[in-house]
Amino acid sequence: DIQMTQSPSSLSASVGDRVTITCRAGQTIRIYLNWYQQKAGKAPQLLIYAASSLQSGVPSRFSGSGSGTDFTLTISSLQPEDFATYYCQQSYSIPWTFGQGTKVEIK
Amino acid sequence: QVQLVESGGNLVKPGGSLRLSCAAPGFPFSDYYMSWIRQAPGKGLEWVSYISNSGNTIYYADSVRGRFTISRDNGENSLYLQMNSLRAEDTAVYYCARVDVYSRYYYGMDVWGQGTTVTVSS
Repeated sequence: DIQMTQSPSSLSASVGDRVTITCRAGQTIRIYLNWYQQKAGKAPQLLIYAASSLQSGVPSRFSGSGSGTDFTLTISSLQPEDFATYYCQQSYSIPWTFGQGTKVEIK
Repeated sequence: QVQLVESGGNLVKPGGSLRLSCAAPGFPFSDYYMSWIRQAPGKGLEWVSYISNSGNTIYYADSVRGRFTISRDNGENSLYLQMNSLRAEDTAVYYCARVDVYSRYYYGMDVWGQGTTVTVSS
């Protein structure tokens, strides 16, 4: 199984801040990497697919980058509705695996 | 409107069985792969299984293989998860999700249901 490791596990930030979350795969996954946002008590929502492609309807302040084993999700200017938990997920091989999540909290 | 609606979650004793359903109105269900994902209380996401649009290709996580069975009825626009020999560690919110394929190769779960809760306890 491919292990996905996110850092940090949590962070505190203010509205307007630039936020970066990192995801590292245990082996190369090329660009088979997705990012999801999950708000408390809600289902996850796909933000980014194929490492850097923005899902339809997702605000452009979200961006993804990386390939191989190292990936980044960036929120360029944090908005109140962005406080949530973010997960990376690889679709390179079965079983699909998720990172442990990064909780973005209000400072 | 594209949506997924899960049902069937309940309290069940260890060793028991449960069948989850996921209704999928609002989009051409037979065109899409589908998946189940679960989330234990206070924990992260765990992929459970997926099934191809025709039902011919199926994969499971090791933690459920041999106990869970995924299936679909394209005529009824519905996805199912038959769960047998349930254990306490199967306690979770279970989500169904639509799997989209981008540029022929990249799979992403782009539509999720609201989840249904399975509790395994004596």
